[in-house]
Amino acid sequence: GDSVTQKQGQVTLSEDDFLFINCTYSTTTYPTLFWYVQYPGQGPQLLLKVTTANNKGISRGFEATYDKGTTSFHLQKASVQESDSAVYFCALVERNMGYKLTFGTGTSLLVDP
Amino acid sequence: DMKVTQMPRYLIKRMGENVLLECGQDMSHETMYWYRQDPGLGLQLIYISYDVDSNSEGDIPKGYRVSRKKREHFSLILDSAKTNQTSVYFCASHDTGQLYFGEGSKLTVL
Repeated sequence: GDSVTQKQGQVTLSEDDFLFINCTYSTTTYPTLFWYVQYPGQGPQLLLKVTTANNKGISRGFEATYDKGTTSFHLQKASVQESDSAVYFCALVERNMGYKLTFGTGTSLLVDP
Repeated sequence: DMKVTQMPRYLIKRMGENVLLECGQDMSHETMYWYRQDPGLGLQLIYISYDVDSNSEGDIPKGYRVSRKKREHFSLILDSAKTNQTSVYFCASHDTGQLYFGEGSKLTVL
């Protein structure tokens, strides 16, 4: 079945540092890929999504490129702020599969002021 | 503004008691979901509902059942709760390629 792997459980950075969160996926079809962000005490919310391979999604300074060759969808941001502290989930949905999302285990980002 | 509402937000039950978690959305979204979130495990899909009385098991349905009698409401039921069902439960609805999540229901089973 489908799977999403996030190897980093926790990342700690200082303000203005570069952010890189690793995400790889496994599927037999052509998925849509997502990053969801969860702030403390809230449910996850969509950060960005990319439906087509080799395209890049950009939102609020975050970006991720759908790399079909390496089956990766890493999340990056040039300069993080304390307000970016949250849990980030990579996810995928297979087309024609009833819109069932598969999530990774999440990466907790803590940004020190 | 799209909103998914979950009730209750916090619940403490004893092992063997029944649990009802309720979810509502006022956007007439057809597809709704129940997930549970545990540390280190991320979000795991329990059930997905495609419309009224059209429900499908997710990845971890054992010990749970659902009910959807109106498009706006989707309930998660635990008959005889177990301590390993202690978790945070999230309801979500789907619209145009995006899931909208509620704020979660934290269930503790003693």
